[in-house]
Amino acid sequence: EAGVAQSPRYKIIEKRQSVAFWCNPISGHATLYWYQQILGQGPKLLIQFQNNGVVDDSQLPKDRFSAERLKGVDSTLKIQPAKLEDSAVYLCASSAESGTRTGELFFGEGSRLTVL
Amino acid sequence: SQKIEQNSEALNIQEGKTATLTCNYTNYSPAYLQWYRQDPGRGPVFLLLIRENEKEKRKERLKVTFDTTLKQSLFHITASQPADSATYLCALDPTDSWGKLQFGAGTQVVVTP
Repeated sequence: EAGVAQSPRYKIIEKRQSVAFWCNPISGHATLYWYQQILGQGPKLLIQFQNNGVVDDSQLPKDRFSAERLKGVDSTLKIQPAKLEDSAVYLCASSAESGTRTGELFFGEGSRLTVL
Repeated sequence: SQKIEQNSEALNIQEGKTATLTCNYTNYSPAYLQWYRQDPGRGPVFLLLIRENEKEKRKERLKVTFDTTLKQSLFHITASQPADSATYLCALDPTDSWGKLQFGAGTQVVVTP
């Protein structure tokens, strides 16, 4: 079974530029998450999708971050304009069940963003 | 405010010994608690899930306990091996936030031969 795919693995941009990350979850997984992990910290939830609807985006900085999940499968996370503090690893995860009460999260390898 | 606290200092342990990691939480009423392993440059990998009505869960050399009175979970790696060296994250699933998994900062474990 293929895992969660993410791209690009690494991205370096100047501040105020834009960047987009792509995620393809495990086939059949209805729930998709984007997490931000700053060096030395645990992952922080940015947004959760159930199929193609947003369940929770309360911690997404909506003035610069946006995310979509078209057709309930792939998802993209965009940052525009980027700030220095956005330097982090962006992790995509999916789960088979609705929420995490009965199931684990499957994470991708992450996309490491460096903002100069 | 809600907090999940894990030892920030790395745990250095000799091969064959038992590593014990602590996860303390405040202002949560979690229905579940999960433990993940994260290697450098990789995404977290699920290890164990324990429910609020379970006191202990085991999987091979891993054991997790969950004390909702103390608001604490302990994670044990018995007969540790160098391959167990990684960062271990605890994560809470609050009862009032369906599917909103929140993570601690993790504890790094270093197992030396």
